[in-house]
Amino acid sequence: EAQVTQNPRYLITVTGKKLTVTCSQNMNHEYMSWYRQDPGLGLRQIYYSMNVEVTDKGDVPEGYKVSRKEKRNFPLILESPSPNQTSLYFCASSVRTGASGNSPLHFGNGTRLTVT
Amino acid sequence: AQSVTQLDSQVPVFEEAPVELRCNYSSSVSVYLFWYVQYPNQGLQLLLKYLSGSTLVKGINGFEAEFNKSQTSFHLRKPSVHISDTAEYFCAVSDSVQAGANNLFFGTGTRLTVIP
Repeated sequence: EAQVTQNPRYLITVTGKKLTVTCSQNMNHEYMSWYRQDPGLGLRQIYYSMNVEVTDKGDVPEGYKVSRKEKRNFPLILESPSPNQTSLYFCASSVRTGASGNSPLHFGNGTRLTVT
Repeated sequence: AQSVTQLDSQVPVFEEAPVELRCNYSSSVSVYLFWYVQYPNQGLQLLLKYLSGSTLVKGINGFEAEFNKSQTSFHLRKPSVHISDTAEYFCAVSDSVQAGANNLFFGTGTRLTVIP
C-alpha cells in the first residue's frame, strides 16, 4: 500500500531535549515536505526537499532541521525544542512536477508534539 | 508570492442541505488550485484540483469547485451533504510557472460540521 508513515503519532517532551520525528514514503517520490498545523493558521511549510541531498527552507524553518540522505526518508529534527513548537506536524510527498502540477501531495497521519 | 484566504472558519449545515466553502487567492503568476480534506485524526487527502481547461472541476465524494479568474476565487460546493462530510477543508495554491511546482500555500481551513 502506498503511504507516508510518520513516527511517533504522539510525543510529549520537555524544553531543550532533542527529538526526531521520522517520515518515510514507499512511493519513490522525489519531493518531500514538512508542515506544521496550528489552529487558525492552517498548514505552514517548515522545510522541503526536491530530491536526495537537496533541502530548502519553507515559511517557518526556525528551530528545525531536516536531512535527506535517502530518497524514502525525510526526518524532522528539533535540536532544542521550545513550547512554541507544540503543534501537529505533517510530512508529505509527491512526484516532483514540472509545469504540469499533476502530482498531488500524499500526507502522513500526523505527529502531535507537546513541548512543556 | 501566493496567498489563500478561506473566508469562513466554521460552517455548520444540516444533512442533505447544499454547502459552499469559500476560497480566494492572490498571486502575481498563474496558479494551480487545490482543495484538500482532513478527517479527524488523519492527514490531508486531495479532493480536487484545477490545473487548466474547464473552470468547473469535479472531485471525489460529490464535491466540485469552480475557478473564477476575474474574482480570484475557487469555491467548493456540494449539492447535498452527508454526516460523513464532517471534516476540515483546506484550499491551497501553487505556482504553475516555476519548475517543480510542488510547494503549496494553504489557507487556514474551514471546519464543516454536518448536523443530523
